[in-house]
Amino acid sequence: GAGVSQSPSNKVTEKGKDVELRCDPISGHTALYWYRQSLGQGLEFLIYFQGNSAPDKSGLPSDRFSAERTGGSVSTLTIQRTQQEDSAVYLCASSLEASGWLGQYFGPGTRLTVT
Amino acid sequence: DAKTTQPTSMDCAEGRAANLPCNHSTISGNEYVYWYRQIHSQGPQYIIHGLKNNETNEMASLIITEDRKSSTLILPHATLRDTAVYYCIVRSARTGANNLFFGTGTRLTVIP
Repeated sequence: GAGVSQSPSNKVTEKGKDVELRCDPISGHTALYWYRQSLGQGLEFLIYFQGNSAPDKSGLPSDRFSAERTGGSVSTLTIQRTQQEDSAVYLCASSLEASGWLGQYFGPGTRLTVT
Repeated sequence: DAKTTQPTSMDCAEGRAANLPCNHSTISGNEYVYWYRQIHSQGPQYIIHGLKNNETNEMASLIITEDRKSSTLILPHATLRDTAVYYCIVRSARTGANNLFFGTGTRLTVIP
């Protein structure tokens, strides 16, 4: 079956522009997670969804970052007024449910470059 | 969730066992030890996890010390495709996905 997919795979944008990153989780997975990985850094948790609701948004670095999930499936991470420090690989993962961590399947990521 | 400490990098000869250590001295009783790896340009991949007992699967073995303050991931016969960054993560399986901390991991290079 299909895994987690993300689009675009690469995005180059000018500072100050808004960007939208998309994640298609594995069908049937109710939990969805967003992470980012800056160059030379470990993975940084951003937000997770259980269904369409986001119980924990504490990892979002600023109010320029928002995310939504509709229909319990596709999720969009939006970054407004991008800054150069937003440059990173943004990873999405999904799992059957949020209470257990086993089986968190990751997508290939979106490499965002802010110039 | 408890923090972990791993060496920044390690080398291993192809065909030999790769032993990757992890310290988690502040681990609490309900926290599991998980290992993930990330091959260049790919998303992280789950390897193995454990609570107290040593665990083995088709990919690796996990050895957890009796006091649970450290663990070792063992790749029994490393191949070039095992070159990756290996992350040791400690968290409770009962909590939600908040405040996850992967750290910088160990960059394993398997040498021909």
